[in-house]
Amino acid sequence: GAGVSQSPSNKVTEKGKDVELRCDPISGHTALYWYRQSLGQGLEFLIYFQGNSAPDKSGLPSDRFSAERTGGSVSTLTIQRTQQEDSAVYLCASSLLGQNSYNEQFFGPGTRLTVL
Amino acid sequence: AQRVTQPEKLLSVFKGAPVELKCNYSYSGSPELFWYVQYSRQRLQLLLRHISRESIKGFTADLNKGETSFHLKKPFAQEEDSAMYYCALRGNNDMRFGAGTRLTVKP
Repeated sequence: GAGVSQSPSNKVTEKGKDVELRCDPISGHTALYWYRQSLGQGLEFLIYFQGNSAPDKSGLPSDRFSAERTGGSVSTLTIQRTQQEDSAVYLCASSLLGQNSYNEQFFGPGTRLTVL
Repeated sequence: AQRVTQPEKLLSVFKGAPVELKCNYSYSGSPELFWYVQYSRQRLQLLLRHISRESIKGFTADLNKGETSFHLKKPFAQEEDSAMYYCALRGNNDMRFGAGTRLTVKP
């Protein structure tokens, strides 16, 4: 594919429902990142994957948030029992990690989540 | 702990004026710093990185280890520079972003 893709592009859900957001990274990229972009809050780091493992989960805001990555490729971010404060744009990025320290992240278009 | 601080949420300048977007960081190791930009209705994208010491779209940023800063500068701002700018720090194989500065360049 040409770049990082995310689905759905928009999601409207009711408070208390679970949602699943998907990210398809650039083929061959070993690192994958999830961020949350809230109005007026900037870019908030959520979780990072190296391959299928997540060495840093410190950014997940609560235990309602979880993420997984399978096959070193697709990742899903799941939010259980959504709350109105979860409304935001969720961004995914991937990067090619190697011995070269240059590590540009390529971002997807984001999923806009609205919790009513 | 690694941390990136962008003290200005909003910055407004007139076209042709100099602009400086501030970024300060804290990191115990040797930092890699980046500036990312998000134009209206576009994806977040890399603008420049300190290891390249490059100028992109007239922007430059110098890493000052003594002041732990990586401010983004442009001598003559253009209207098309209006965007959201994020400073980012790479450490321990992850990236931390600042809260961002929204730059508006007025005609």
